[in-house]
Amino acid sequence: DGGITQSPKYLFRKEGQNVTLSCEQNLNHDAMYWYRQDPGQGLRLIYYSQIVNDFQKGDIAEGYSVSREKKESFPLTVTSAQKNPTAFYLCASSPQGSEQYFGPGTRLTVT
Amino acid sequence: GDSVTQMEGPVTLSEEAFLTINCTYTATGYPSLFWYVQYPGEGLQLLLKATKADDKGSNKGFEATYRKETTSFHLEKGSVQVSDSAVYFCALDLTQGGSEKLVFGKGMKLTVNP
Repeated sequence: DGGITQSPKYLFRKEGQNVTLSCEQNLNHDAMYWYRQDPGQGLRLIYYSQIVNDFQKGDIAEGYSVSREKKESFPLTVTSAQKNPTAFYLCASSPQGSEQYFGPGTRLTVT
Repeated sequence: GDSVTQMEGPVTLSEEAFLTINCTYTATGYPSLFWYVQYPGEGLQLLLKATKADDKGSNKGFEATYRKETTSFHLEKGSVQVSDSAVYFCALDLTQGGSEKLVFGKGMKLTVNP
């Protein structure tokens, strides 16, 4: 089955801890994206990557970091510097110049 | 900058009612336009798209027409079902510095009652 997987579906962490969210795709897409979704806010772009070993900050990159060492993987680390990390995180991928395909999301709760 | 403005809900309809969700955009150039749908607890799925003026996208009984003169891409369905209950997002693509990004509206939650 081709698609995008995000794991885990639910994640709980204590404040002050870094946490890494997984995103894997087997669609052979060049571009990958991370979004944050909060109630009433729509989707906000955190980071995106057009090719391996390259990525750019989105609109709300502060407190987050990413890597793109392999075409199929784009993990997101939520650091302790992120002031309000509790949210629903969505990963997406796309072939160049086409629509984005989304994973099922990870709901992160930090207490 | 480029932006998308869409109706804010939530909206509740009865089954078989007519649905319109307004979406207008501001963009330099001629972006492609999209409607995505998010069912409870899931990621987003592409519902339909249009890539140039006067194109009509359609899927699952939903339609939207790219209107350049009014910078709009309103979503319509003639008869909604309970299974259409979801959050609907309008989006446009933005090419900036050689990179492509999507700009999303805030989403509109639709509930359809039997």
